[in-house]
Amino acid sequence: EVQLVESGGALIQPGGSLRLSCAASGFTFSNYVMTWVRQAPGKGLEWVSGISGSGGNTYYADAVKGRFTISRDNSKNTLHLQMNSLRAEDTAVYYCAKDQRNSWFTASDYWGQGTLVTVSS
Amino acid sequence: EIVLTQSPGTLSLSPGERATLSCRASQSVTSNYLAWYQQKPGQAPRLLIYGASSRATDIPDRFSGSGSGTDFTLTISRLEPEDFAVYYCQHYGGSSRTFGQGTKVEI
Repeated sequence: EVQLVESGGALIQPGGSLRLSCAASGFTFSNYVMTWVRQAPGKGLEWVSGISGSGGNTYYADAVKGRFTISRDNSKNTLHLQMNSLRAEDTAVYYCAKDQRNSWFTASDYWGQGTLVTVSS
Repeated sequence: EIVLTQSPGTLSLSPGERATLSCRASQSVTSNYLAWYQQKPGQAPRLLIYGASSRATDIPDRFSGSGSGTDFTLTISRLEPEDFAVYYCQHYGGSSRTFGQGTKVEI
């Protein structure tokens, strides 16, 4: 059974940094693209970032480019999102998701339950 | 970046009725890289349709997707009580991925 468990969400002040993690199990982690998607309170879904199975290719939404860094540790089946220079508008539930294949041209077929990041003073 | 516009914003229907949800892209979607997701309150999204018309694993056949180019449709043939939720379309074929703003299907 595929399981994705996010952690690391917290209340953080504007300008601060936070590192989210996603522990994966039930599939061969290195064989799949992984992504982060966020959802601000009461709002819709927003794609944040994605990474290829090897970690060699990364993709970012314009809203987070230069501030967020996605990475993965295939030896530990873990996905990370390093978030720097956080802003109030980064407040959201952050979901990690597994894609259908190790190709950028696939949808996300499994999702974690999310971790809440609140940026506020 | 492709912008996806979903309509209507809210769809008020009864169980047993047919639901038709629209997703329009600002430019042609390459190779129909278009997905539909369902999200219920307090839950993570669930993949329903990928490639514009292929049902994901374990998705009932009352859900169907169609369309190409810039116009896509999600149809729920007969609404079940558990289908009342928010539905999002997503383009996943470019260097960045985008979601539509969502359509709420309510009783």
